[in-house]
Amino acid sequence: QKEVEQNSGPLSVPEGAIASLNCTYSDRGSQSFFWYRQYSGKSPELIMFIYSNGDKEDGRFTAQLNKASQYVSLLIRDSQPSDSATYLCAVTKGGKLIFGQGTELSVKP
Amino acid sequence: GAVVSQHPSWVICKSGTSVKIECRSLDFQATTMFWYRQFPKQSLMLMATSNEGSKATYEQGVEKDKFLINHASLTLSTLTVTSAHPEDSSFYICSAKAAAGDEKLFFGSGTQLSVL
Repeated sequence: QKEVEQNSGPLSVPEGAIASLNCTYSDRGSQSFFWYRQYSGKSPELIMFIYSNGDKEDGRFTAQLNKASQYVSLLIRDSQPSDSATYLCAVTKGGKLIFGQGTELSVKP
Repeated sequence: GAVVSQHPSWVICKSGTSVKIECRSLDFQATTMFWYRQFPKQSLMLMATSNEGSKATYEQGVEKDKFLINHASLTLSTLTVTSAHPEDSSFYICSAKAAAGDEKLFFGSGTQLSVL
């Protein structure tokens, strides 16, 4: 079992729709969870972090965490073509950040 | 967020040569930096943890004699790929935490290494 798992996609949504990205992790001891956005050929950019169960909203982005289910998700409302990128879920483990394989999102105009 | 500067952005070298990549924290001091490698269409794989003033900690399967890491100051870490081969061609990215106890990682712009 991978430490952090994501559907690789691609996930395609029409402009203006909600994009839902999912991630599961294996270590119950993980405390911090992050979503990074990575455009092709560029380095990752931090867009959301969440430490407690529940929802955390920031603009069009909402992160959701359920530690009992070892599940973290990212919702992007009113998706824009500029949101097209690979979204990486990352989880702390032993002071290190472990990344999932990323989900490729394509927002169609 | 914290600013991490990395260069060069890309480098092409001949097989057998060595390449040095620099990573600097511009507006904060980083006692710990992390080096990742990313192959096309794959995720980031942690190579090593760079600690200021001490030896780096390498992940399993990463050759410490091939990937030399030096963290001589609180704002600079370097990764040297020694005797590079085509299979070392990859996207190398450094990162740092902005403050002790803060788990958020900020990344440099990455270095695309192509070994001919």
